[in-house]
Amino acid sequence: NAGVTQTPKFRVLKTGQSMTLLCAQDMNHEYMYWYRQDPGMGLRLIHYSVGEGTTAKGEVPDGYNVSRLKKQNFLLGLESAAPSQTSVYFCASSLVLNTEAFFGQGTRLTVV
Amino acid sequence: KNQVEQSPQSLIILEGKNCTLQCNYTVSPFSNLRWYKQDTGRGPVSLTIMTFSENTKSNGRYTATLDADTKQSSLHITASQLSDSASYICVVSAKNQFYFGTGTSLTVIP
Repeated sequence: NAGVTQTPKFRVLKTGQSMTLLCAQDMNHEYMYWYRQDPGMGLRLIHYSVGEGTTAKGEVPDGYNVSRLKKQNFLLGLESAAPSQTSVYFCASSLVLNTEAFFGQGTRLTVV
Repeated sequence: KNQVEQSPQSLIILEGKNCTLQCNYTVSPFSNLRWYKQDTGRGPVSLTIMTFSENTKSNGRYTATLDADTKQSSLHITASQLSDSASYICVVSAKNQFYFGTGTSLTVIP
């Protein structure tokens, strides 16, 4: 099993450009999450999903959109990238709420 | 406010020595507490999970303790190895959310 796979691993965007980060999990987990990790701060929840076709806002959702059309995939979109969105993005999944979360390897995004 | 605070922020120890990392939380209602290890450039990986009724749990050279009354947890690493160099993150689960600490950066030097 691959676990949680994120693509791409690195990306540089210009301000105003758009992009989509893909997260795929092969563990049949119901819950999926997108976090961002910035220096000196804990992981902060952007959006999450409790099942196929559902999404919900987390702590820092502004500037991001998500979709969960298939149970195994959770997409994070940036419609108009800003330098403040420079960060490392982690996707995670868990079987149900409050069980162990499995994380992807992260996507390092730089917006210039 | 639900918060998770970890100390120290960073720590440097000699290979073979022991160390203890601290986690204090104010999260309520408490569901469980996990310690994650995050290697540089990688995603966090779970080391241990503590529920309300558990005081101590070991995973190899890692031993976690939990005092639910004082809302404190510690992670003790025995006989440290170079591969223990990483960030250790305390994560507390409440009813419907995870709360992350900012982590302790541990460096083990030969």
